[in-house]
Amino acid sequence: TQLLEQSPQFLSIQEGENLTVYCNSSSVFSSLQWYRQEPGEGPVLLVTVVTGGEVKKLKRLTFQFGDARKDSSLHITAAQPGDTGLYLCAGSNYGGATNKLIFGTGTLLAVQP
Amino acid sequence: DSGVTQTPKHLITATGQRVTLRCSPRSGDLSVYWYQQSLDQGLQFLIHYYNGEERAKGNILERFSAQQFPDLHSELNLSSLELGDSALYFCASSVATGKGYGYTFGSGTRLTVV
Repeated sequence: TQLLEQSPQFLSIQEGENLTVYCNSSSVFSSLQWYRQEPGEGPVLLVTVVTGGEVKKLKRLTFQFGDARKDSSLHITAAQPGDTGLYLCAGSNYGGATNKLIFGTGTLLAVQP
Repeated sequence: DSGVTQTPKHLITATGQRVTLRCSPRSGDLSVYWYQQSLDQGLQFLIHYYNGEERAKGNILERFSAQQFPDLHSELNLSSLELGDSALYFCASSVATGKGYGYTFGSGTRLTVV
């Protein structure tokens, strides 16, 4: 069974601070996605990374896929209260009949003004 | 609005009952996925349909079943409900099953079994 462990589980920081969320697995994935979920809503896709070592930037968010495609990180620079939410990584494999996503355990981020 | 519509938004029912959750995928998306989200288990994959065909099953209980209709909407049927089935149920859709295609999630159905 493929598992994705995220750390930390909870994070409470002040506005303007930087943070990094980690997503680790013992399994290799074809691609990895990051989602953000707010209370009462479904997860919203932030980014997809497909190549080992790939780095993608989305404004103040930087995503990296590990060289071995087993891990990923999300770095937020100068966090803002609007970044508050549950961050989920999700891995997928291709070549079969499905591209189902295996979701990580989640990181709950609270940014205090 | 993500384009994925789930109904109802909230559902309260008694143990032993049967409910049907409905999902309309985003226009043009052929794949529909169902996930269950609970506090202790996180987001768990239940089942994947592609253009009416079942593609994969996850940890879906035998009391649960799903189907995707010709118009691509999907229904998740939960029967003989137990207290432990209380959770958020999400539907997501995707245009294809290939590499790099992300999901678009609906806003979920919150099921409470009393």
